[in-house]
Amino acid sequence: AQSVTQPDIHITVSEGASLELRCNYSYGATPYLFWYVQSPGQGLQLLLKYFSGDTLVQGIKGFEAEFKRSQSSFNLRKPSVHWSDAAEYFCAVGAKQAGTALIFGKGTTLSVSS
Amino acid sequence: ETGVTQSPTHLIKTRGQQVTLRCSSQSGHNTVSWYQQALGQGPQFIFQYYREEENGRGNFPPRFSGLQFPNYSSELNVNALELDDSALYLCASSFAGVNQPQHFGDGTRLSIL
Repeated sequence: AQSVTQPDIHITVSEGASLELRCNYSYGATPYLFWYVQSPGQGLQLLLKYFSGDTLVQGIKGFEAEFKRSQSSFNLRKPSVHWSDAAEYFCAVGAKQAGTALIFGKGTTLSVSS
Repeated sequence: ETGVTQSPTHLIKTRGQQVTLRCSSQSGHNTVSWYQQALGQGPQFIFQYYREEENGRGNFPPRFSGLQFPNYSSELNVNALELDDSALYLCASSFAGVNQPQHFGDGTRLSIL
């Protein structure tokens, strides 16, 4: 069965420092991978997506992610974090077996310290 | 373009009652998915509708049911509410296809007393 693991429950980063959020997936075929961000009391906003081709994908708000098939990973990165980046981040894989459901990880909470 | 809108924003019910949550899709989208997000967890897929028919379902009991209307808006109905149904319910719309990104509304916060 498809699954997504986000190993880090909570990460604190200093403002201006770099960020990497980890995501590992389990999926039998070529995965469709997504990163979403959720601010408190809000829905999910799509940061970026990977379907095929270049394994380094660029997203909104200065985020990027790298797909590594050999490691079953799709880690999210940002070179310089801003205080407004504090939020919950979710990695998801598109699962064709159940309609076109998204299978989400449990999320990583990002705190930004000044 | 108008994004995904959900109503109501918040709802309080008691055990055993029934509830209906509503969702208006983003303009042009023909597929609607519903997710349940318990506190501190990632969203869990409930079901998806395409062309007014259920197109996939997650591990939720039959008391969770839905509808999609010709204008692609959707309802989620939950019967015989249980305490564990307390959660944020998210609606997402998209074009059909597993590689199509889903666009989420802000959700309905359902509390069961």
